[in-house]
Amino acid sequence: AIQLTQSPSSLSASVGDKVTFTCRASQDIGSTLAWYQQKLGRPPTLLIYDASTLKSGVPSRFSGSGSGTDFTLTISSLQPEDFASYYCQQFNTYPLTFGGGTKLQIK
Amino acid sequence: EVQLLESGGGLVQPGGSLRLSCAASGFNFNVYTMAWVRQAPGKGLEWVSSISDIAGSTEYADSVKGRFTISRDNSKKTVHLQMSSLRAEDAAIYYCAKDIGGWDAFDVWGQGTTVTVSS
Repeated sequence: AIQLTQSPSSLSASVGDKVTFTCRASQDIGSTLAWYQQKLGRPPTLLIYDASTLKSGVPSRFSGSGSGTDFTLTISSLQPEDFASYYCQQFNTYPLTFGGGTKLQIK
Repeated sequence: EVQLLESGGGLVQPGGSLRLSCAASGFNFNVYTMAWVRQAPGKGLEWVSSISDIAGSTEYADSVKGRFTISRDNSKKTVHLQMSSLRAEDAAIYYCAKDIGGWDAFDVWGQGTTVTVSS
């Protein structure tokens, strides 16, 4: 199975900061990567798919990049509602796999 | 409104069985792959199983293969997960999810149903 390693596992930042999360795949997955946001007690919501395609309705401060094995999710200017956990997921090959997540906390 | 509503969770003894259901509404159910994703308490997301649209081909995580069966009824817009030989490590919130179409990324999620495995 393809392993996804997210770093850091947790991150503290302030409103207005620019933050970047990293997801590394154990093998080349092209651009078959998605990013999700999950707030406490809620189901995940899709932010980005195909590595860099923003889902309709997702604020433009979110962006994704990368291909092959290295991917990033960037939030250009943190808003209070962005403090949550973030997960990457590969859909190149079954079994589908998720990264371990990055928890974004308020500094 | 596009919606997924799970049901069927509960408390079950180790070795027992449970059937989860997911009722879909607000979209053309027949043409989308559907999946189950679970989340153990305090842990990350784990994909469990997927079933394709019309053909109904299925995929499973190794951790549930041979114990869980996914199925769908396109006429009723429902997807099911039959779980047997349940283990303590199967305890989780089980989410039903719809793929975005063309990619196995999930753009619609239900609120989840909780499965507890304990004697």
